[in-house]
Amino acid sequence: DVKVTQSSRYLVKRTGEKVFLECVQDMDHENMFWYRQDPGLGLRLIYFSYDVKMKEKGDIPEGYSVSREKKERFSLILESASTNQTSMYLCASSGDRGIYEQYFGPGTRLTVT
Amino acid sequence: AQSVTQLDSQVPVFEEAPVELRCNYSSSVSVYLFWYVQYPNQGLQLLLKYLSGSTLVKGINGFEAEFNKSQTSFHLRKPSVHISDTAEYFCAVSEGSYGKLTFGQGTILTVHP
Repeated sequence: DVKVTQSSRYLVKRTGEKVFLECVQDMDHENMFWYRQDPGLGLRLIYFSYDVKMKEKGDIPEGYSVSREKKERFSLILESASTNQTSMYLCASSGDRGIYEQYFGPGTRLTVT
Repeated sequence: AQSVTQLDSQVPVFEEAPVELRCNYSSSVSVYLFWYVQYPNQGLQLLLKYLSGSTLVKGINGFEAEFNKSQTSFHLRKPSVHISDTAEYFCAVSEGSYGKLTFGQGTILTVHP
């Protein structure tokens, strides 16, 4: 059974803290994605990676960075968390040149106070 | 750039009634189309996908969708809903490049007894 796991389901951080969100997939997928989900806005792509050490900006990369040192792991970094980054963060992965579906993790609900 | 519009933000229906969730997209190239479902406090799960071939696509849990190229639509239907179908539904389009998805804003389906 395919699996994408995220390090935390709920996270509370203070403004200005550095925050790491981790995502691991066990499907040997080439592509991995980070989205944020906000009510009424759907999912918006922050960053994606199509290979180890390769990354591309999505639609809303400002305030975020990513790291992919190993194929199975994709990290999202908030260098200095702000209250407007309070959101649900979803990680996904896909294979087969990405024309097939993405598999999603359960999400991390981040609150920045 | 692609865009996806889900025409209804909320759809309330009674149990055993039929339902249609509407999705329109804009794209100048061939696309792949998806419907995902998100149950409360969970990640996204694929309902169905259109890659090519028959324009009527059947998915899990009795859902189906019809791809209409001339109207650039991909509406989701179910002839008889259950309480357990209460969830948020997302339409998405892939441009085929690394499998990036553009999501609609989501439609919250609430099934009442």
